[in-house]
Amino acid sequence: AQSVTQLDSHVSVSEGTPVLLRCNYSSSYSPSLFWYVQHPNKGLQLLLKYTSAATLVKGINGFEAEFKKSETSFHLTKPSAHMSDAAEYFCVVSDQYNNNDMRFGAGTRLTVKP
Amino acid sequence: DGGITQSPKYLFRKEGQNVTLSCEQNLNHDAMYWYRQDPGQGLRLIYYSQIVNDFQKGDIAEGYSVSREKKESFPLTVTSAQKNPTAFYLCASSQSRVDEQFFGPGTRLTVL
Repeated sequence: AQSVTQLDSHVSVSEGTPVLLRCNYSSSYSPSLFWYVQHPNKGLQLLLKYTSAATLVKGINGFEAEFKKSETSFHLTKPSAHMSDAAEYFCVVSDQYNNNDMRFGAGTRLTVKP
Repeated sequence: DGGITQSPKYLFRKEGQNVTLSCEQNLNHDAMYWYRQDPGQGLRLIYYSQIVNDFQKGDIAEGYSVSREKKESFPLTVTSAQKNPTAFYLCASSQSRVDEQFFGPGTRLTVL
């Protein structure tokens, strides 16, 4: 079965510095991978998705992620953090051999210091 | 303005009571989902439906029930059989099972 591991439960950065949120996945087939963001007491919003096209995926709000099959990773990055980026981020994997069920990581809480 | 609505935003329940959470979408999506979110954890799938009048159990369906009588509506009932129902519940929809999911704002259920 596919699964996702988000390597950091909490990441803290200063405003204007780069953001790196790490995600490793396991999947028995070519996976689809997603990053979602959740602000407190809100629903989830899709940041970006990978579905076997270009390995470098650009999303909303300046975020991007790179699919690295050899490392089974899909890390999320942003060159310069903004205060509004403070939120919970979820890495998600799905594949057709697991009924396309989406498997969520436990989440990474991003704090942005002024 | 297309989207997914959930109501109520906050819900309080006494032990032994059933409660129903509403989820409506006007995105014309075929698939709908219910997830449960607990603090410090990712989302866990309760039920999903790919078409009207059909639904499937997810990973944690025990103590929950759903119906899909209309394409745009997918209500979730939390029954008294659910031992620990206090959680944040999220509804989502997608065009099909392989597409990205769009989420509602959530309902926070508290058992008193």
